[in-house]
Amino acid sequence: GENVEQHPSTLSVQEGDSAVIKCTYSDSASNYFPWYKQELGKRPQLIIDIRSNVGEKKDQRIAVTLNKTAKHFSLHITETQPEDSAVYFCAAVWGYNKLIFGAGTRLAVHP
Amino acid sequence: KAGVTQTPRYLIKTRGQQVTLSCSPISGHRSVSWYQQTPGQGLQFLFEYFSETQRNKGNFPGRFSGRQFSNSRSEMNVSTLELGDSALYLCASSLDAGGNTEAFFGQGTRLTVV
Repeated sequence: GENVEQHPSTLSVQEGDSAVIKCTYSDSASNYFPWYKQELGKRPQLIIDIRSNVGEKKDQRIAVTLNKTAKHFSLHITETQPEDSAVYFCAAVWGYNKLIFGAGTRLAVHP
Repeated sequence: KAGVTQTPRYLIKTRGQQVTLSCSPISGHRSVSWYQQTPGQGLQFLFEYFSETQRNKGNFPGRFSGRQFSNSRSEMNVSTLELGDSALYLCASSLDAGGNTEAFFGQGTRLTVV
């Protein structure tokens, strides 16, 4: 079935450290894998995405890697800052714009 | 360019009542999806509409329904409300029909059923 598993559920780091969040997906997902950041009381915001024709994509301090053979993809945040504290969701797409989300990772960055 | 707009922002309803939520997508976006967000179940897909047609449906009971109008605005309806329907309901709009483009979320409607 359509499923995305996300780990860890919580992550606590010191400011300046790196944070890594990992996701795996089940069969038949499409070729698009977005990541969303949701701050308390706010809407999910797309922060980066990757398509299956690339293995890695970077945007400043954020990078995402994709391994389609192993069916997993990861989010890497370097030089974390307190404003990176939020819940992060990975997702995969099945069919037409059907986003299946991971359970979320609550990231806390301590000054 | 205006973002995705959802109304109302907050709703309080009584068990057994019905409710209608509205979503206006980004101009030019024709795909609208709906999600339910709860602390226990996370973000769950409800359904997706494109050109007034429902193309995808999640695993929710028939009490949850939706529709899309010719201007791409969408509504979702929940009938016979239950306490467990209390949640943040989010809609997202996308430009492309194929599922490989960015989905942008509205601020959501927080529904409380008492």
